[in-house]
Amino acid sequence: EVQLVQSGAEMKKPGEPLKIFCKGSGYSFSSYWIGWVRQMPGKGLEWMGIIYPGDSDTRYSPSFQGQVTISADKSIRTAYLQWNSLKASDTAMYYCARQVGSSSVNYFDSWGQGTLVTVSS
Amino acid sequence: QSALTQPASVSGSPGQSITISCTGTSSDVGSYDLVSWYQQHPGKAPKLMIYEGGKRPSGVSNRFSGSKSGNTASLTISGLQAEDEADYYCCSYAGSNTLVFGGGTKLTVL
Repeated sequence: EVQLVQSGAEMKKPGEPLKIFCKGSGYSFSSYWIGWVRQMPGKGLEWMGIIYPGDSDTRYSPSFQGQVTISADKSIRTAYLQWNSLKASDTAMYYCARQVGSSSVNYFDSWGQGTLVTVSS
Repeated sequence: QSALTQPASVSGSPGQSITISCTGTSSDVGSYDLVSWYQQHPGKAPKLMIYEGGKRPSGVSNRFSGSKSGNTASLTISGLQAEDEADYYCCSYAGSNTLVFGGGTKLTVL
């Protein structure tokens, strides 16, 4: 069974750094793209970017390019989402999900449980 | 990369059918038959309901179906049930392994 388990909720102050993780199991972690999705309080889903753990090829949404860094360590089957300096507007639930597809990787078939990030002074 | 356009809300009575539209552009929905739909109940992670336009994952009811015409994709739910009340999001492939979501639609079962 494919499982993605995310790190726990975080409460941070503006300006602090943060790195959250997503650990995969039940499949060949290196061979599937992992994506990150933001959901701000009461709002919709936003695609942030994806990474291919096998070679760390990474793609970002223009909205998130330069704002976050997506990385992965295939040896421990873990993907990461990190911020160098958090802002209050980063307060949101963040989901990781496995992005798959028959011709192009175009949908998410398995999701993590989400990591709630709260940024407040 | 702008968000796809969905109606904010739709509603229907048990047993009825409803359709949720998802309008994009010739750069996303119009260029690929690669639209997926997700159901999200409050406090839960999204769940895949339809992928690659009209395919259903194992375990998803055949009451859910997907289609596309031009730059607009649609999700139809037939035989509406109380458990279908949730938020629904469309998502389209936009090239180079990037995706774009719709703004979401709240489905109310009356």
